[in-house]
Amino acid sequence: AQSVTQLDSQVPVFEEAPVELRCNYSSSVSVYLFWYVQYPNQGLQLLLKYLSGSTLVKGINGFEAEFNKSQTSFHLRKPSVHISDTAEYFCAVRYYGGSQGNLIFGKGTKLSVKP
Amino acid sequence: DGGITQSPKYLFRKEGQNVTLSCEQNLNHDAMYWYRQDPGQGLRLIYYSQIVNDFQKGDIAEGYSVSREKKESFPLTVTSAQKNPTAFYLCASSPLGTSGANTGELFFGEGSRLTVL
Repeated sequence: AQSVTQLDSQVPVFEEAPVELRCNYSSSVSVYLFWYVQYPNQGLQLLLKYLSGSTLVKGINGFEAEFNKSQTSFHLRKPSVHISDTAEYFCAVRYYGGSQGNLIFGKGTKLSVKP
Repeated sequence: DGGITQSPKYLFRKEGQNVTLSCEQNLNHDAMYWYRQDPGQGLRLIYYSQIVNDFQKGDIAEGYSVSREKKESFPLTVTSAQKNPTAFYLCASSPLGTSGANTGELFFGEGSRLTVL
C-alpha cells in the first residue's frame, strides 16, 4: 500500500535556527505533493504544493520544500524559525490517476520553537 | 468570505446517542470530505463525495453516515455503532481539475471536537 512517512514526530528548535521537516513517500510514480500546517484546535492550511516543474517550491511564511524524485522525498525547510511557527505539519501525497479522495497524509510532525 | 464552516466546534455526547456534525462550503467546490484526526495518527478519511447525491466510503467509514443533498452541504452523522467516537473531525472541500482529476489540494474547515462522556 502507498504510504507517507514523516520521519520525526516532534522537532524542538530554538528561535531563529534553521529547521528541516522530513517527508518520504513510498512510490516513485508521478505524484502531487503538499505540506499543510495545523495550529492548535484549528483546521489545516496549505503551506505549499508541488504539481510539476521546478523541484524547489516556495510557500507561505518563508517555508520551502524540495522534491527529490530519486529519493522519493519532499522535505520542508525554513532558514530561520519564529515562535509563531510552532504548529503541527503534515505532508500529503496524491498519486497521478489515484481515485478521488486518495490524498494520503503522513502522521504529522510537531514543531516546537523555543525562545 | 468564502470558506468552509463546521459546527458545532465542540460537542459532548452520551454513549448510545447519534450526533450530526455540520459542514457547509461557499467555495463552489464539487468535492467534499470528512476526516478524523487522533493524536499521533494523522488524518484518516471517513467519507468523500464528488457530486450531489453520491458519496464513497473512505478508510474508516464504519459507524458513520453522510448525505450530500446539496452541493454546499455534507453533514456527517456519528452513530452509536462507532465504538470510539471521541476525536477531532475535519471537513474539507476541493475543486475538480479541468480534466476532472482532483490535484489533491484541500481546503479545510476549523474542525469539530467530539467528546463522548
